[in-house]
Amino acid sequence: EAQVTQNPRYLITVTGKKLTVTCSQNMNHEYMSWYRQDPGLGLRQIYYSMNVEVTDKGDVPEGYKVSRKEKRNFPLILESPSPNQTSLYFCASSQTSEGEQFFGPGTRLTVL
Amino acid sequence: GENVEQHPSTLSVQEGDSAVIKCTYSDSASNYFPWYKQELGKGPQLIIDIRSNVGEKKDQRIAVTLNKTAKHFSLHITETQPEDSAVYFCAASTGTGGFKTIFGAGTRLFVKA
Repeated sequence: EAQVTQNPRYLITVTGKKLTVTCSQNMNHEYMSWYRQDPGLGLRQIYYSMNVEVTDKGDVPEGYKVSRKEKRNFPLILESPSPNQTSLYFCASSQTSEGEQFFGPGTRLTVL
Repeated sequence: GENVEQHPSTLSVQEGDSAVIKCTYSDSASNYFPWYKQELGKGPQLIIDIRSNVGEKKDQRIAVTLNKTAKHFSLHITETQPEDSAVYFCAASTGTGGFKTIFGAGTRLFVKA
């Protein structure tokens, strides 16, 4: 089944404790992206990647890191999480830069 | 920065009526305009999209119109059904040379049976 998977689905952590949210897609897509979703703000793009080793900032990159060492994986790293990073996070992938994005199920992160 | 404004934030209609959601974008380089539906507890799913060289596109009960001059695009759902109840997001994307996508804030649609 073609899909985007994210892990973990739920995470509660404390300020300053480094964490990684994994994202993997099995559709051989070139493009991948991370979004955060907050009430009243919609989805905001954090980082995106156009291919292996090619990443660029979205609208809200501060406090986040990404890497794209393999085509299928695009992990999101929070090196020193803060409470304002409490949010619902979605990973997405797409075959083209102007095409349907396939979203993962989301990761709900709470930073205390 | 670039943004996409979406209205209304909440929309309640009677089953069988039509629903219209409107979006305005600011980046004149945007050339791809998708609409996503998000059901509770799930990730968004594409329902229809339109590219900048097309003015209108229809898929059964769903249609999207684009006015590039005014930088407006709209989603039209006819003969609404209770299963259309969800949050809808518009987005604008500048595909050339990147993968930047700006989403609207979302519209929560309630279809009353």
